[in-house]
Amino acid sequence: ESVLTQSPGILSLSPGERATLSCRASQSVNNNYLAWYQQKPGQVPRLLIYGASTRASGIPDRFSGSGSGTDFTLTISRLEPEDFAVYYCQQYHDSRTFGQGTKVEIK
Amino acid sequence: HLQQSGPGLVKPSQTLSLTCAISGDSVSTQSAAWNWIRQSPSRGLEWLGRTYYRSKWYNDYAVSVKSRVTITPDTSKNQVSLHLTFMTPEDTAVYYCVREPDYYAAFDYWGPGTLVTVSS
Repeated sequence: ESVLTQSPGILSLSPGERATLSCRASQSVNNNYLAWYQQKPGQVPRLLIYGASTRASGIPDRFSGSGSGTDFTLTISRLEPEDFAVYYCQQYHDSRTFGQGTKVEIK
Repeated sequence: HLQQSGPGLVKPSQTLSLTCAISGDSVSTQSAAWNWIRQSPSRGLEWLGRTYYRSKWYNDYAVSVKSRVTITPDTSKNQVSLHLTFMTPEDTAVYYCVREPDYYAAFDYWGPGTLVTVSS
């Protein structure tokens, strides 16, 4: 199984700033089978991005995904107040595994 | 809509049984899989396994629980069940039933979760 390592663990930013989250896989994720999720306290995870770069239905275009192979990035172009949450990457090339999460908190 | 049911407390060495009733979709659909995922502070999000129908039924399970887990569909009730044997305190977590449609090949719809505590 591919191990996913997310960095940083915590990202402290202000509304309006750009957030860049990293996800590194221990093995190449073929076909870009990588997804990103957002989770707020007390809520279930919400699918943001699949196929490394395709936004799921209803996801604002300030969220974008990029990368291939073993290195992937989630970018939030301008943070809105509702974007402060924990973000997880997940691969579905080799079984299914999740990263440990990046918390985006208000600075 | 995914409605989960099952016990919130399980004793060590017992078997956990959870059920997920599906509405608005079919457990037998040939364009989605039905998964169980759990989440705990110590283990994070952990995929346990899935079942899906493609002219016949298939299952995939995580290596970490493969010897203890069974996921079964019930077509008459349109639901999917999770059975996890030999529970230990390390299995304490919130358990989610989750849909994985082929067009996403990612998890798009999550049940509300069931907090399961393993304690004597």
